[in-house]
Amino acid sequence: NAGVTQTPKFQVLKTGQSMTLQCAQDMNHNSMYWYRQDPGMGLRLIYYSASEGTTDKGEVPNGYNVSRLNKREFSLRLESAAPSQTSVYFCASSEFWASSYTFGSGTRLTVV
Amino acid sequence: AQTVTQSQPEMSVQEAETVTLSCTYDTSENNYYLFWYKQPPSRQMILVIRQEAYKQQNATENRFSVNFQKAAKSFSLKISDSQLGDTAMYFCANGGATNKLIFGTGTLLAVQP
Repeated sequence: NAGVTQTPKFQVLKTGQSMTLQCAQDMNHNSMYWYRQDPGMGLRLIYYSASEGTTDKGEVPNGYNVSRLNKREFSLRLESAAPSQTSVYFCASSEFWASSYTFGSGTRLTVV
Repeated sequence: AQTVTQSQPEMSVQEAETVTLSCTYDTSENNYYLFWYKQPPSRQMILVIRQEAYKQQNATENRFSVNFQKAAKSFSLKISDSQLGDTAMYFCANGGATNKLIFGTGTLLAVQP
């Protein structure tokens, strides 16, 4: 019973490098989300996908792109990493309106 | 726009005692819901409790209960008989029509032996 799986768990990038954070859920949930967590700022929504084939911007989308590859997978791409993108990234999924989120274990990303 | 405010950055409680974490929110939606999530040092986000706005009865889950004051837009979390394993960051969150959750900045709770 894996739930939400995020890879990698840790990553160090140099400024200007690109990378993709992977997320997959095995609960047949419709909606998926990407959040970033920074000290003193809680979790802020980057992008979300209400259902397969749709994606929308959240509160802090600049510098990121997403792909909802299928119902299971929702990836987050940093095209040109910047030190301001140093953060912990969480993927989450939910089944329907008002249902709780199930979170992945997070990715700690450091951009130097 | 939705906002969630947690005014207590850090709190401390003695083991076996009771502690209340505060949360206020602002939303223009009529149908919404609220959560408390716990994040222990492992970093994993764990659901603590859930409340739908149309329900007048306060939600409870074992030692965890909420005081939901809809008119005041307040949603506090009470932890009874605190245990060392309750040491964690606690986040309040508000969701509405789009199912996007807005989180507060968190309260770091330390349970002292």
